Amino acid sequence: DTAVSQTPKYLVTQMGNDKSIKCEQNLGHDTMYWYKQDSKKFLKIMFSYNNKELIINETVPNRFSPKSPDKAHLNLHINSLELGDSAVYFCASSPNWGLAKNIQYFGAGTRLSVL
Amino acid sequence: GEDVEQSLFLSVREGDSSVINCTYTDSSSTYLYWYKQEPGAGLQLLTYIFSNMDMKQDQRLTVLLNKKDKHLSLRIADTQTGDSAIYFCAESSNRDDKIIFGKGTRLHILP
Repeated sequence: DTAVSQTPKYLVTQMGNDKSIKCEQNLGHDTMYWYKQDSKKFLKIMFSYNNKELIINETVPNRFSPKSPDKAHLNLHINSLELGDSAVYFCASSPNWGLAKNIQYFGAGTRLSVL
Repeated sequence: GEDVEQSLFLSVREGDSSVINCTYTDSSSTYLYWYKQEPGAGLQLLTYIFSNMDMKQDQRLTVLLNKKDKHLSLRIADTQTGDSAIYFCAESSNRDDKIIFGKGTRLHILP
C-alpha cells in the first residue's frame, strides 16, 4: 500500500490555466506538506498543515492555494499558471507525535510542465 | 535563516566506500536526515539520527554526527551501481515542523 500518494504523476498544461494536484496519506499522520523542487533539484517547503490547520506558509505567490479537507488529504490548487511554475511538486507527511514526530515521508512527486 | 550545505557532486568507484559530507548552522537541530532521490523518483528516507547521538549504523550505511562542528556525514560501504542517486542532507528542530534541505550531492559510480 502506498503511504503518501499524489496524483497526477505528470501534468502538462498551458500558461494561464488553473490546475490541482491531490495528495493523500494513509499513515495516520497529523501533518502534511507541499514542497517544490526546481530544475536544479533544490527543494523548498511551500506549505504545511497540521490537522487541517495551516502552520507554515512560505513566501509563495497567492496563486497557490492549499486545501485540506481532512487530515489525510492536502491538495494544491494553482491559478493562472506561469512558466516558472514548472517543477516537481512533492507532498509529504509526518506523525507530529512521539520520538519520530518530525520524520517526513514523501510522495513520488508530480512533474508539472507549463507550456 | 538556517542553512544546510553539501557538495554537489561525488564520484566513487564501484566497491569503494562513499562518504558524503554536510554542514548545518542550526544550533537547535534535533533531527538530522539523509534522503535518497533516484532519477525520476521521489525522496526516500534513508536514515536519520537524533542530535544526542554520535553515530548510527544500518547495514552498509554509517551516519556520523559531530554536533560541536555541526557536521554530518553518510558513509556507504561497498558502493554499488544502484547507489547512484542524489543524496539530500536535512535537519529539523522542535521549534517548528520545517525540514531544511541541502542542495543534494549527486553520487556517480565509476565502473
